[in-house]
Amino acid sequence: DIVMTQSPDSLAVSLGERATINCKSSQSVLYTSNSKNYLAWFQQKPGQPPKLLISWASTRESGVPDRFSGSGSGTDFTLTINSLQAEDVAVYYCQQFYSTHFTFGPGTTVDLK
Amino acid sequence: EEQLVESGGGLVQPGGSLRLSCAASGFTFSSYGMSWVRQAPGKGLEWVSTISEGAGNTYYAGSVQGRFAISRDDSKSTLYLQMNSLRAEDTAVYYCARRGYFDLWGRGTLVTVSS
Repeated sequence: DIVMTQSPDSLAVSLGERATINCKSSQSVLYTSNSKNYLAWFQQKPGQPPKLLISWASTRESGVPDRFSGSGSGTDFTLTINSLQAEDVAVYYCQQFYSTHFTFGPGTTVDLK
Repeated sequence: EEQLVESGGGLVQPGGSLRLSCAASGFTFSSYGMSWVRQAPGKGLEWVSTISEGAGNTYYAGSVQGRFAISRDDSKSTLYLQMNSLRAEDTAVYYCARRGYFDLWGRGTLVTVSS
């Protein structure tokens, strides 16, 4: 199975500042025939199901604020939250859907400083 | 409104069985691959199983292979997960989700395996 790792495990950011979360896959999730990275990002708040923020590494879902952005290709990816808001406090997960055995990263907790 | 609603969770003894259901509405269920994802208390997300549209292909995490069976009834827009030989480590909230990148989730159903 493809192993997903995330860094840092947690971070504390001041309101209005930037949060950066890294995700790495044990093998490339770039499908060369269509040049798409099979990588998604989720946000999960306590007591709620996860919410898809970004698919295909950089495609923001409808309704997701544009302060959230995804980047990267191959094995290295980044989720950036610009100008952090109080409602962004949550756990963030990356996930690969390149293989038929999907896998998630362990999660990164974002808190307010 | 597109919606997924899980049901069937509860308390079961080790070695027991349980069948979860996930009722879909607001979209053409038969057109999508569907999955189960679980989350143990205080832990991260773990993919459990996927069934393709048309039910032609099924996939399982190694931790549940041979014990769990995923199925679907497109006439009822419902996804199922038959769970047998349950273990304490299967205790979790079980979510159903749509597509490979899980663009739609239910609210989950809690399965507790304990004597």
